[in-house]
This record gives sequence, structure tokens and C-alpha cells, in this order.
Amino acid sequence: GDSVTQMEGPVTLSEEAFLTINCTYTATGYPSLFWYVQYPGEGLQLLLKATKADDKGSNKGFEATYRKETTSFHLEKGSVQVSDSAVYFCALSDRSGGGNKLTFGTGTQLKVEL
Amino acid sequence: GAVVSQHPSRVICKSGTSVKIECRSLDFQATTMFWYRQFPKQSLMLMATSNEGSKATYEQGVEKDKFLINHASLTLSTLTVTSAHPEDSSFYICSASRSTIITDTQYFGPGTRLTVL
Repeated sequence: GDSVTQMEGPVTLSEEAFLTINCTYTATGYPSLFWYVQYPGEGLQLLLKATKADDKGSNKGFEATYRKETTSFHLEKGSVQVSDSAVYFCALSDRSGGGNKLTFGTGTQLKVEL
Repeated sequence: GAVVSQHPSRVICKSGTSVKIECRSLDFQATTMFWYRQFPKQSLMLMATSNEGSKATYEQGVEKDKFLINHASLTLSTLTVTSAHPEDSSFYICSASRSTIITDTQYFGPGTRLTVL
């Protein structure tokens, strides 16, 4: 079945540091890939998405590129801020399964300190 | 963006009682709603998918008689945990989508923390 693997957290960075959160996937079809963010006390919000190979999703300074050859969708940001502290979830939606059911990774907690 | 609410945010109940959790899409019509369960430091696990006016589709291993889902309107879905037991204690999250198109965004509620004593 489909699965998503994320690096374990928590990840602790200083403000303005470079961020990478690794995400790899396995899927039987041709998935769409997503990053969701969950701020403390709030629901998950879509951060960015990519629907086909080599697509790059970007939002709020975050980027992720759909790499079919390495089955990866790593999240990056050049300069993190304290306000980026949250839990980040990588997810996929597999077309072969029909509909838009999501399979999530375990989430990676990011803590950004001054 | 689209807003999804859940009520209650926290509930504590005695073993053997039933608990109902509501999920509402506040500013859009949700053709499809999803119910997830999240254990501490673990991923969100999809429990079931419901389309308005239809019976819910449950994931393998989820007891449909224990977790009753109703999606009676395009803005409301409910999850009822029947005869709750301590092992049902968890964080339950709903999401809503305007369609079943694979690239359509799911909008998530803030979650409901259920504690069964």
C-alpha cells in the first residue's frame, strides 16, 4: 500500500537558518504530493502541493520539488522564522485509489529559536 | 481560506457511553468529508470517507458499528463513538473537500480530544 516516511523530529533551528525536512513515499500509482502544517492549537493547513513529477510547490518561502526518480518531496526554506514553529506533515493522494484520500507521514515538529 | 470547525474541542466521558463529534464547513459546501484519528506522535490515520447523502466508506480495520458517521448535509458531518472504551481515547480530526478530485484541497478542522475514563 501507499506510505509516507518523514524524518523524525523535533528539529530545532535558530532563526534565519536553512531548513530541510525529508519526505519519501511509496505509491502504486501516480500520486499528488502535499505538505501540511499544523500550528499549535490549530487544524492542519495546506502549505503547498505538487501534482506531477518535477513540479515545484511553493508558499510562504517554503518549497518542495516532486522527484519521481528518488520518490521524494523534501521541504525546504532558506531562512526560518520563529513563527514557522509548527508540526509539518508530508502526504500523498494516489490517483489509482480514486478520489482524494490522503496518506500522511508521522509529522515533523519544527522549533525555531531566537 | 475555507474554514472547518469541530465541536466539541475536548470531551471526557465514562466508559460505555456514546459521544458525538460534529464537523462543519462554515463557508463552503463539502461534497466529501473525512474522519481521521491521530495517536500521540503518530500520523493521522484515515477512518472513513463520507459523501453527502451516502453511506460512509470505512477503512480496513475500522468498526463501522462503533464509529457511526452521518453526512446529512453539505456542511455537516457527525462522528458518533458508540459504547466508548478507554482504548477509544484519541484525537479525532475531520476534513472537508469541495469535491473528490484528487488535487482538490482538504480543509481540516482543529480536532477533538476524546478521553474515555
